[in-house]
Amino acid sequence: SQQGEEDPQALSIQEGENATMNCSYKTSINNLQWYRQNSGRGLVHLILIRSNEREKHSGRLRVTLDTSKKSSSLLITASRAADTASYFCATETVSGNTPLVFGKGTRLSVIA
Amino acid sequence: GAVVSQHPSWVICKSGTSVKIECRSLDFQATTMFWYRQFPKQSLMLMATSNEGSKATYEQGVEKDKFLINHASLTLSTLTVTSAHPEDSSFYICSARPSGLAGPTSTDTQYFGPGTRLTVL
Repeated sequence: SQQGEEDPQALSIQEGENATMNCSYKTSINNLQWYRQNSGRGLVHLILIRSNEREKHSGRLRVTLDTSKKSSSLLITASRAADTASYFCATETVSGNTPLVFGKGTRLSVIA
Repeated sequence: GAVVSQHPSWVICKSGTSVKIECRSLDFQATTMFWYRQFPKQSLMLMATSNEGSKATYEQGVEKDKFLINHASLTLSTLTVTSAHPEDSSFYICSARPSGLAGPTSTDTQYFGPGTRLTVL
């Protein structure tokens, strides 16, 4: 079953603009992770934010987590054409050897 | 960083044949590995949890007799799609988390293989 819902499903922006993607989930989590997937390729881990954290940065990426609203957002600043990909949030509900539950993803297109 | 490999990266087979996909953790041991399936333009759906030395745990709706999983060592899990049909065509991805016995110490992160694209004609 899928835990998360991403919003929007698809996003098209101009190079240099910021891209914001949102993720909502249903149950309590241990951590939430964001992944990127280029068409037909494997997953690239972007960032992990734990349930006791509210914000995290990594380069041009900024992730926020609001556990009261069961939601997270991924902001990509100063987007580049190379950022074109699908972005998925994934949640881990319990610490330990449990699988990740993925959201439906957002397809981002950055137009040069 | 930790690396998970999958073999083959792509495979085309005839309907009715069986296909084996390997998932290896190259520089760490993994007691548990996970198998996901991804249809075009969709998200990853968990198929099963592979446990070293014991039977796999399958998600609801996944046929265990069709998708055979063997986790014979701490670095290798295999998924065999038996009697494959065109509807089994998909992207299969495995993931593994270090079990702490060796390799990376970050146990929050799962490492994903590059995926195997299966096309059944």
